[in-house]
Amino acid sequence: NAGVTQTPKFQVLKTGQSMTLQCAQDMNHNSMYWYRQDPGMGLRLIYYSASEGTTDKGEVPNGYNVSRLNKREFSLRLESAAPSQTSVYFCASSEAGTNEKLFFGSGTQLSVL
Amino acid sequence: GNSVTQMEGPVTLSEEAFLTINCTYTATGYPSLFWYVQYPGEGLQLLLKATKADDKGSNKGFEATYRKETTSFHLEKGSVQVSDSAVYFCALFSGSARQLTFGSGTQLTVLP
Repeated sequence: NAGVTQTPKFQVLKTGQSMTLQCAQDMNHNSMYWYRQDPGMGLRLIYYSASEGTTDKGEVPNGYNVSRLNKREFSLRLESAAPSQTSVYFCASSEAGTNEKLFFGSGTQLSVL
Repeated sequence: GNSVTQMEGPVTLSEEAFLTINCTYTATGYPSLFWYVQYPGEGLQLLLKATKADDKGSNKGFEATYRKETTSFHLEKGSVQVSDSAVYFCALFSGSARQLTFGSGTQLTVLP
């Protein structure tokens, strides 16, 4: 009954460091998403993957890369972290054709100093 | 483009009080509308939805009616509980954008 699992839950980086946020879902969903959540701005879509082997940019893709490793896993990479990337990151998944009903992970709180 | 505007929080109520959280939207076409809830330390989860004008979504005592004439989807509950303390997000899905657009969220705290 895991649903969407994200790791790590917390991370502190220095400016310029790189890291990868991991996400896995066990619901056999085709679509996966990465959002960032900032105070007063709600959730903004960074990247999404409609199906295994495909990825597309969302609203705020700059400074990020993604990999859809297989149907279960969708990772988000920060190549050179910046303070503006301090945020809470959420991974989500949905069944094909039901992009409006998303299942979310519990989030990664990232601070870039 | 699409956008969702929610009333600013935080909102603090006493247990058993009436709750309204306002939400208005701008969208092309005929969007579907949603309320998501985020409990402390958790990810968002779908609370209710409405897919066409005049539809009423309901769940766990919460209700929201899709009002096309006022482009609104206000969330209401007649008697809140401490366990309803959470952040509530209004969202829309438009076929043209093919992705959810979220509002900024409203923090609700219910005091015993």
